[in-house]
Amino acid sequence: QKEVEQDPGPLSVPEGAIVSLNCTYSNSAFQYFMWYRQYSRKGPELLMYTYSSGNKEDGRFTAQVDKSSKYISLFIRDSQPSDSATYLCAMSAVVNNNDMRFGAGTRLTVKP
Amino acid sequence: DTEVTQTPKHLVMGMTNKKSLKCEQHMGHRAMYWYKQKAKKPPELMFVYSYEKLSINESVPSRFSPECPNSSLLNLHLHALQPEDSALYLCASSHGWNNQPQHFGDGTRLSIL
Repeated sequence: QKEVEQDPGPLSVPEGAIVSLNCTYSNSAFQYFMWYRQYSRKGPELLMYTYSSGNKEDGRFTAQVDKSSKYISLFIRDSQPSDSATYLCAMSAVVNNNDMRFGAGTRLTVKP
Repeated sequence: DTEVTQTPKHLVMGMTNKKSLKCEQHMGHRAMYWYKQKAKKPPELMFVYSYEKLSINESVPSRFSPECPNSSLLNLHLHALQPEDSALYLCASSHGWNNQPQHFGDGTRLSIL
């Protein structure tokens, strides 16, 4: 079993749809959870950063962490063609950043 | 544009060449990282520098040699690379190496002939 599982997709939705992206993990020591967006031929861009359980909202993006289920989600409301990218979840334990683990990334296409 | 700047954006080199990748950040971050990313895969950690000292080397072959001249700069020296080393090389930085989100540059796309 991989430490972080993320469905690679591809996921295709119509413009305006609500998108749900998810990751599961096995290491209960993970406390910090990130979502990165990566456009083709670009580096990963930090979208959301949360600590422990709970929700965080930023514009059209909402990140949820459920530590009891070892499950994190990213919701995109009113999706736009410009949201088409690969979304990577990442997480790390308390101690140090070199333990950061990435999911495989989900390729999302939002069709006009 | 990202706040982590990497040069060059593209590099093609032969297996006998020596070249260097450069990374610069002016966010006052004290931890810097090199990652390697193959197509359709997540980034893989190569090196971590914390306060200009190498703290992590993830069993990277010696043909990759990192250098951190100061807190804003990070280099990756390349020598005698193999075709399988062709990839996107990403630099990242964070405030510290404890529990701070990493910010990535756009990478150098490296092709080995």
